[in-house]
Amino acid sequence: QKEVEQNSGPLSVPEGAIASLNCTYSDRVSQSFFWYRQYSGKSPELIMSIYSNGDKEDGRFTAQLNKASQYVSLLIRDSQPSDSATYLCAATGNQFYFGTGTSLTVIP
Amino acid sequence: DAGVTQSPTHLIKTRGQQVTLRCSPKSGHDTVSWYQQALGQGPQFIFQYYEEEERQRGNFPDRFSGHQFPNYSSELNVNALLLGDSALYLCASSHGWGPSYEQYFGPGTRLTVT
Repeated sequence: QKEVEQNSGPLSVPEGAIASLNCTYSDRVSQSFFWYRQYSGKSPELIMSIYSNGDKEDGRFTAQLNKASQYVSLLIRDSQPSDSATYLCAATGNQFYFGTGTSLTVIP
Repeated sequence: DAGVTQSPTHLIKTRGQQVTLRCSPKSGHDTVSWYQQALGQGPQFIFQYYEEEERQRGNFPDRFSGHQFPNYSSELNVNALLLGDSALYLCASSHGWGPSYEQYFGPGTRLTVT
């Protein structure tokens, strides 16, 4: 099992809907979790970090961490076409691990 | 507020050559990490530098080496280039080292090995 796994998608949602992105992780990572957004041809941008069980909200974004089930998710409310990008989940253990990313398309 | 900068933007090298990539961290940051991102993949962790020492290393061969300078800037060196080394090389900086610190990425250096 890879340390961090994501569904590669593509995921398509209509404008204004909630986009839900999921990530599972192995026992080798357990400390800190991050979500990044990467537009085509650009470098990753940090959206938010989460370290403890529960929800963390920042504007239209909510990260959810469930350590018992070993998953972390990102919800994007009121999705906009500008949210169309690849979303990368990252986690730390003895090093930093990234998933392969989920491609999101928001349809106007 | 100056963000993370990297140079050069693009680079074309021949198999067997050596390359040096450079990174300046975001203002106020003291830790630099390097990543390799192949097309369609997530970034792969190469190593992390703090206080001029390599603190963590990913699963990359010794052909990949680095250095951090007293001003916190960093270099990534790759020797004996292989075609498979063609990728986007990303530098990320943070304030403090270890697994809990948020990292901010530079724009990357696109390396093509022919």
